[in-house]
Amino acid sequence: GDSVTQMEGPVTLSEEAFLTINCTYTATGYPSLFWYVQYPGEGLQLLLKATKADDKGSNKGFEATYRKETTSFHLEKGSVQVSDSAVYFCALSLYGNNRLAFGKGNQVVVIP
Amino acid sequence: DTAVSQTPKYLVTQMGNDKSIKCEQNLGHDTMYWYKQDSKKFLKIMFSYNNKELIINETVPNRFSPKSPDKAHLNLHINSLELGDSAVYFCASSQGRGRTDTQYFGPGTRLTVL
Repeated sequence: GDSVTQMEGPVTLSEEAFLTINCTYTATGYPSLFWYVQYPGEGLQLLLKATKADDKGSNKGFEATYRKETTSFHLEKGSVQVSDSAVYFCALSLYGNNRLAFGKGNQVVVIP
Repeated sequence: DTAVSQTPKYLVTQMGNDKSIKCEQNLGHDTMYWYKQDSKKFLKIMFSYNNKELIINETVPNRFSPKSPDKAHLNLHINSLELGDSAVYFCASSQGRGRTDTQYFGPGTRLTVL
């Protein structure tokens, strides 16, 4: 079935470090891809999305590029802040099947 | 101003009880969803409604029954609560059912079954 795989384990890094969170997907069609962020005690917020191959989504300094050849949508930020500490979820949505399939999420902790 | 709201935010109850969670969206969206987030933060869709019509019904026990009185509201009723129902339940909405439609999430309802 359609699924999303995120790298295992939490990510701990220092302020101003470079962040990468890997996301790969398996889908029978051509999905749209999303990154959602969940701050402590809150619901999910859309961070960015891309709807076709080679699209780049960007928001708040975060970027991700839809790579069809590697079925990936890795999230990057050049210089993280303490306020970026949250759980990040990669997700996909397929045509005619509007459910979001989520990855397991990555806890990101940014240390001052 | 809240786009997608849920009540209550916290719900603590005993096994065997029946409870409801309410969701409202003021975005004018046609489609609404319920997701369950387990203790490991894994999110899985439960139901989806489009214009009050059920369009997604995942393999959820029939103790869970969604109801959409109008397209701005989607409630979740749970009968005979079990320990395993403890989770955070998120409501979401989107303009349409297409793969490019962004889903907007509510703040969640943390259900604890004792």
